[in-house]
Amino acid sequence: AQSVTQLDSQVPVFEEAPVELRCNYSSSVSVYLFWYVQYPNQGLQLLLKYLSGSTLVKGINGFEAEFNKSQTSFHLRKPSVHISDTAEYFCAVSETDYYNTDKLIFGTGTRLQVFP
Amino acid sequence: NAGVTQTPKFQVLKTGQSMTLQCAQDMNHEYMSWYRQDPGMGLRLIHYSVGAGITDQGEVPNGYNVSRSTTEDFPLRLLSAAPSQTSVYFCASRPQDSSYNSPLHFGNGTRLTVT
Repeated sequence: AQSVTQLDSQVPVFEEAPVELRCNYSSSVSVYLFWYVQYPNQGLQLLLKYLSGSTLVKGINGFEAEFNKSQTSFHLRKPSVHISDTAEYFCAVSETDYYNTDKLIFGTGTRLQVFP
Repeated sequence: NAGVTQTPKFQVLKTGQSMTLQCAQDMNHEYMSWYRQDPGMGLRLIHYSVGAGITDQGEVPNGYNVSRSTTEDFPLRLLSAAPSQTSVYFCASRPQDSSYNSPLHFGNGTRLTVT
């Protein structure tokens, strides 16, 4: 079974500073990786995804992530954060079951807190 | 477009009580799923369905039942609530093509407390 590890449960950062949220996954033959964001009292929204091709993936709100197969990582980055980026961020990997149904397996989440 | 609608938003139960968490989507999505979110544990898949009449278990199915009689609705039943089921529950749906092409659409959650 696939698994995802988010190494930081909380990341505090000042506004306009760069940020990196770390994600590592268990190795598999084929890997499809995702980052979701959850704003307070809301459900999750897709931020970006890696399926194949270029290892640098750009998402919404200025976020990007880099797929590194040798290090089995998919870290999320933003060069300059805003107060509005305060949210919880989840890394996820797709797992296909015996019915050929894709399920998302989520990490434990990283809470990004942006201070003025 | 309402998307994924969950009701109720908040619920308090006593141990042993039963209840049903409702989930409805108006996007004609074949795939629907239930997750629970607990501090420090992220989201864990409870049950999922790939279409009307078809359901299967996820990572943490014990204590929960589901059924899928229509494409639109996917209710989650707690037959005898336990304090360990205190959590925030999310329903999510997508087209059945694959998770690669179609992101999950999440509802806004149901916050359940079992005393």
